[in-house]
Amino acid sequence: DVKVTQSSRYLVKRTGEKVFLECVQDMDHENMFWYRQDPGLGLRLIYFSYDVKMKEKGDIPEGYSVSREKKERFSLILESASTNQTSMYLCASRPLRTSYEQYFGPGTRLTVT
Amino acid sequence: GNSVTQMEGPVTLSEEAFLTINCTYTATGYPSLFWYVQYPGEGLQLLLKATKADDKGSNKGFEATYRKETTSFHLEKGSVQVSDSAVYFCALSWTGNQFYFGTGTSLTVIP
Repeated sequence: DVKVTQSSRYLVKRTGEKVFLECVQDMDHENMFWYRQDPGLGLRLIYFSYDVKMKEKGDIPEGYSVSREKKERFSLILESASTNQTSMYLCASRPLRTSYEQYFGPGTRLTVT
Repeated sequence: GNSVTQMEGPVTLSEEAFLTINCTYTATGYPSLFWYVQYPGEGLQLLLKATKADDKGSNKGFEATYRKETTSFHLEKGSVQVSDSAVYFCALSWTGNQFYFGTGTSLTVIP
């Protein structure tokens, strides 16, 4: 079974803190993704990565950065957290060879106070 | 632009009732269409998909048919169970990297 794990299920941070959200997948997938999920807005893509050290902006990259130093790990960084970044963050991965299915982690619910 | 519109919830049904969740899309060309399901406390899981017009995706008793004439991909199940309580997302994609998700429809099934 494909497994995508995220470092925390719940996280509470203060405004202005630097926040790291970690995601690890164990199936040697090439592509990895970070989304945020908000009520009434569905899922919105923040960044994705198609290879180590490669990244592409998604629909809402402002206020975020990412790091992919190893194939299995994709980190989302909030350089200076703000209250409007309170959300559920979902990581996903996908192998290049299949027909589009993305495999999701359980999510991290981040609260910025 | 590209977008997915799905019926607003929440939807509450009694066990064994018939379920329909409407989904329509706006896109150029013919993308692949998906339904994902999110159970409480979990990430999204692919429920079913269809990659071309008139294809029917099916899984766990759920079905959806890719209708290009009506640009729709409605999700149906003949007899829902309590265990089907979840949030359902309709989505489209061409490449598998850029997905366009609907806003989600919450379903609660009561015994």
